[in-house]
Amino acid sequence: ETGVTQSPTHLIKTRGQQVTLRCSSQSGHNTVSWYQQALGQGPQFIFQYYREEENGRGNFPPRFSGLQFPNYSSELNVNALELDDSALYLCASSLGGLNTGELFFGEGSRLTVL
Amino acid sequence: DAKTTQPPSMDCAEGRAANLPCNHSTISGNEYVYWYRQIHSQGPQYIIHGLKNNETNEMASLIITEDRKSSTLILPHATLRDTAVYYCIVRGNDYKLSFGAGTTVTVRA
Repeated sequence: ETGVTQSPTHLIKTRGQQVTLRCSSQSGHNTVSWYQQALGQGPQFIFQYYREEENGRGNFPPRFSGLQFPNYSSELNVNALELDDSALYLCASSLGGLNTGELFFGEGSRLTVL
Repeated sequence: DAKTTQPPSMDCAEGRAANLPCNHSTISGNEYVYWYRQIHSQGPQYIIHGLKNNETNEMASLIITEDRKSSTLILPHATLRDTAVYYCIVRGNDYKLSFGAGTTVTVRA
């Protein structure tokens, strides 16, 4: 148990729809990052939030967006869903923004786009 | 990001030591070697990390060569619960982890 919780655990959407995934970080952690893991591949970095500001982004289009709230919980929003967005979405929390602290991952939200 | 090379899979007998190799020949002086593992259908779990010196914790040992171009993760007494994908990651003063394909380790009874 890492103390990082994600919801929902599973969901199914259709192409063109929008989805919001949620993450509660470990107590005391002020940094949240999101990763996408396609079947059979390693996780790919989407972006990171530190003190409610995005401070790093991977190679994902603008239809992937996020928020971090004052209590450091976070949302990942994906607009105009495509079939290739089907994946496990992982949230990780850590302490300290740009430092190299250990990341604690949640169990993920599995998104299926039909 | 420096890249790592790991064997795609390996088997290990329960109760024996599992030695997982990783090559990172382009690693820079300020970059750390991290190991994570991912048990099926779960999120990645931190195992250990190091810069130059060998490191040991309750889960594993990390042996880094003197030239830092390769490392070995050692699980001293593998159990069936250690069956997972193991990722070797090189990370600098950066916020993200760059995962490769990892090594699928199967521990057999």
